[in-house]
Amino acid sequence: NAGVTQTPKFRILKIGQSMTLQCTQDMNHNYMYWYRQDPGMGLKLIYYSVGAGITDKGEVPNGYNVSRSTTEDFPLRLELAAPSQTSVYFCASSYTSWGEETQYFGPGTRLLVL
Amino acid sequence: QKEVEQDPGPLSVPEGAIVSLNCTYSNSAFQYFMWYRQYSRKGPELLMYTYSSGNKEDGRFTAQVDKSSKYISLFIRDSQPSDSATYLCAMRAIRLDGLTFGKGTHLIIQP
Repeated sequence: NAGVTQTPKFRILKIGQSMTLQCTQDMNHNYMYWYRQDPGMGLKLIYYSVGAGITDKGEVPNGYNVSRSTTEDFPLRLELAAPSQTSVYFCASSYTSWGEETQYFGPGTRLLVL
Repeated sequence: QKEVEQDPGPLSVPEGAIVSLNCTYSNSAFQYFMWYRQYSRKGPELLMYTYSSGNKEDGRFTAQVDKSSKYISLFIRDSQPSDSATYLCAMRAIRLDGLTFGKGTHLIIQP
């Protein structure tokens, strides 16, 4: 299993441009999450999904959109990029069985908005 | 008051020392507590998972949760240079909900 994969690894955007951050997991997890991590800060939840077709806002959703058409994929869309969106973006997935649970994180996408 | 407080460090200790990392929180609804380790330019990886109050041990790592004080700890025994990383505490109220993270503590183990 590849686990959680994210593309691209690094991207530079100009202010006002848009892009999609890709996230794919091959563990058949129902739950998927997008976080952002600013320098010296913890991760903040942007959006999450409990299954295909179902998404909900997290703590910092403004400026982002998501969709979940399949169990495997959970892309994050940035419209009209702003310097405040410069950050490292992590995608994670989790399973729904009872007992101890684990959120598996991808390697991250570094985004610089200039 | 932030929901989760964690000293960012850096915390520098000699190899072999016992390390104590801590977080405090304000939301009494939190009942699932986790510690993640994050190496530079990598994604977080789960170290310890605890439900409600109590202790949990896994090898050199021990996690403690004191819900009455809203305080959680991670102890690392016989610390190794490979333990040098940022340690993030995380917690949630509802199972499988999004996590609320501390800022992370940057730990340096000196050989």
